[in-house]
Amino acid sequence: KAGVTQTPRYLIKTRGQQVTLSCSPISGHRSVSWYQQTPGQGLQFLFEYFSETQRNKGNFPGRFSGRQFSNSRSEMNVSTLELGDSALYLCASSFEQFYNSPLHFGNGTRLTVT
Amino acid sequence: DAKTTQPNSMESNEEEPVHLPCNHSTISGTDYIHWYRQLPSQGPEYVIHGLTSNVNNRMASLAIAEDRKSSTLILHRATLRDAAVYYCILRGMNRDDKIIFGKGTRLHILP
Repeated sequence: KAGVTQTPRYLIKTRGQQVTLSCSPISGHRSVSWYQQTPGQGLQFLFEYFSETQRNKGNFPGRFSGRQFSNSRSEMNVSTLELGDSALYLCASSFEQFYNSPLHFGNGTRLTVT
Repeated sequence: DAKTTQPNSMESNEEEPVHLPCNHSTISGTDYIHWYRQLPSQGPEYVIHGLTSNVNNRMASLAIAEDRKSSTLILHRATLRDAAVYYCILRGMNRDDKIIFGKGTRLHILP
């Protein structure tokens, strides 16, 4: 069974640009969540989608948005990039909503903003 | 939002058991306790989760205190491959519950 796939693996962008990251969950998983990981702040929750509906959102500005498609694939978008957005962005999928279902993480997209 | 507290780092000898503690004093009755670990250059990996009773799987055991305000992840026989950052997190059933990761515990395994 294929794991969670995140593309691209690495990305370099300039301040002010926007970026879209993609996540393909494990087949059959309907929940997808996104996280930002930085050395200073650690792992921070961005948002969670279940059956195309955003179920929960972390404390991030509106520049961070996401969506989930009918095939459960998900994308997140960051507009007007800032230097502080440089981070590892992780996606995780689970069969049900997270609380009673293990999360399966991808290996992330490393975003560098210059 | 429920929060967890873990030691920054721990050391253990190879082939010995490891007990990784986690405090979650503000846990609510519907919060599940999840443990994940992260190896360098990889996404976190699921280890185990539970609600009230102790849980065992092929990777580890989870011991949950009777008042549920703390839990312990037990690796029965540590190997060098168990060196990682271990995260204990809570996840509740309420829609507004946010998933909060702490800094985790960096586990060093000594050969």
